[in-house]
Amino acid sequence: KNEVEQSPQNLTAQEGEFITINCSYSVGISALHWLQQHPGGGIVSLFMLSSGKKKHGRLIATINIQEKHSSLHITASHPRDSAVYICAVRGGADGLTFGKGTHLIIQP
Amino acid sequence: DTAVSQTPKYLVTQMGNDKSIKCEQNLGHDTMYWYKQDSKKFLKIMFSYNNKELIINETVPNRFSPKSPDKAHLNLHINSLELGDSAVYFCASSPNRGHRLNTEAFFGQGTRLTVV
Repeated sequence: KNEVEQSPQNLTAQEGEFITINCSYSVGISALHWLQQHPGGGIVSLFMLSSGKKKHGRLIATINIQEKHSSLHITASHPRDSAVYICAVRGGADGLTFGKGTHLIIQP
Repeated sequence: DTAVSQTPKYLVTQMGNDKSIKCEQNLGHDTMYWYKQDSKKFLKIMFSYNNKELIINETVPNRFSPKSPDKAHLNLHINSLELGDSAVYFCASSPNRGHRLNTEAFFGQGTRLTVV
């Protein structure tokens, strides 16, 4: 069974800072998802990656399949980026296996 | 239009009751899921259905019974509710069965179940 580790668990930063959240997993996968959960509780899929890098606005996600590692970066962070960011992997089974999430707070 | 919709959003009920949570997706997806998020915000898969067929049942007590009347709906029925069932339950869907194709997952807004 895949073990998904995220770091850090909690991160508080000032507005404008560059943010990096890391995710590592133990078993080969077919895809990795980065999810965002706001205080209201809804979950939004930010990225799905199987290789390389993707960019959407101020968000960048990278994955290194050989090292079983992915990072989520936020450039020019803003208080509205405050949320829980969850890494999830899809392997041989159909469902997702989740990390425990990174609770990000961006202070003005 | 909401892609994946769950009802109700909040559910408070007493121990021992039976309750259902409904999920519908209008995306034409083949696969639907139920996930449970515990008090520590940790998400874990409960069930996966592909074209109305049960694919995954992850050591969930048999008090939990998913029902899929058609591939657009996956309802979760819970019998004899216990305090430990209190959690947020998320429904999700994806276009194809997971491991062969890299597919996006779309989540419902969650149902916060509180058992008192």
